[in-house]
Amino acid sequence: QQQVKQSPQSLIVQKGGISIINCAYENTAFDYFPWYQQFPGKGPALLIAIRPDVSEKKEGRFTISFNKSAKQFSLHIMDSQPGDSATYFCAATSSGSARQLTFGSGTQLTVLP
Amino acid sequence: DAGVIQSPRHEVTEMGQEVTLRCKPISGHDYLFWYRQTMMRGLELLIYFNNNVPIDDSGMPEDRFSAKMPNASFSTLKIQPSEPRDSAVYFCASSLGLRGYGYTFGSGTRLTVV
Repeated sequence: QQQVKQSPQSLIVQKGGISIINCAYENTAFDYFPWYQQFPGKGPALLIAIRPDVSEKKEGRFTISFNKSAKQFSLHIMDSQPGDSATYFCAATSSGSARQLTFGSGTQLTVLP
Repeated sequence: DAGVIQSPRHEVTEMGQEVTLRCKPISGHDYLFWYRQTMMRGLELLIYFNNNVPIDDSGMPEDRFSAKMPNASFSTLKIQPSEPRDSAVYFCASSLGLRGYGYTFGSGTRLTVV
C-alpha cells in the first residue's frame, strides 16, 4: 500500500511538445505529492509539489494535475526543451509517516532538439 | 548555503574492504536520510535520523551496513565488508521539520566494489 507506480519508464518528446508523466498511489493517507528532477551525476531536486486539496498546480512550464478520487497525479511539461532532459520521480508522503517519501520508479525524459 | 555535501564523489574499492561515506546536511535541518539508487531498484531509503537520532533503519539491507550521526552537521554510512552487489549511488538528503516537505539531496557518492 506504500507503493507509488510511475509511468512511462522512458519518454521521448520533440522540442516544443508536451511531456506527460503519470503516477498512481494506493495509500489514501498520502497528503503531499512532490516531483523531483534528476540530472546525470546529480541528486534529485524538488521541482514542484501539490497537496490533495487542489486539483492543479502550475509553476512556469510545469503543471501537476491531481485526481483524488482516482488516486492519480501527473506532471505536464509544456513547451518541452532539451534542457528538460532528465529523470523525473514522483513521490508521496503523509504527515503520519514521519515524512518519509515513497518514490516512484522514475521516468527518463529525452527532449529532442 | 552550500547544500548537502557528500564525500567522496566516487569510490572504487575491492570486495571485503571497509567503505565509509560521509554527509554534511544543510545547517538547521533536523532530518537526515540515506538513500541508495540502482537501476534495478530505484531509490531506496536505507535509514533516517531526526535530531541526530536514528528513527528507522529498516531499509538497511544487512548488518554489514551501519550509519551514525554524531552531531547535527555530520553523518556517515559504513559498509563492512563491502560486496560487489553494494555498487550503487548513495545519496544523503536533509530536510527541515514541518515547514516545507521538500528534501534537499546531495550529489551522491558513486560506489563501485570490484
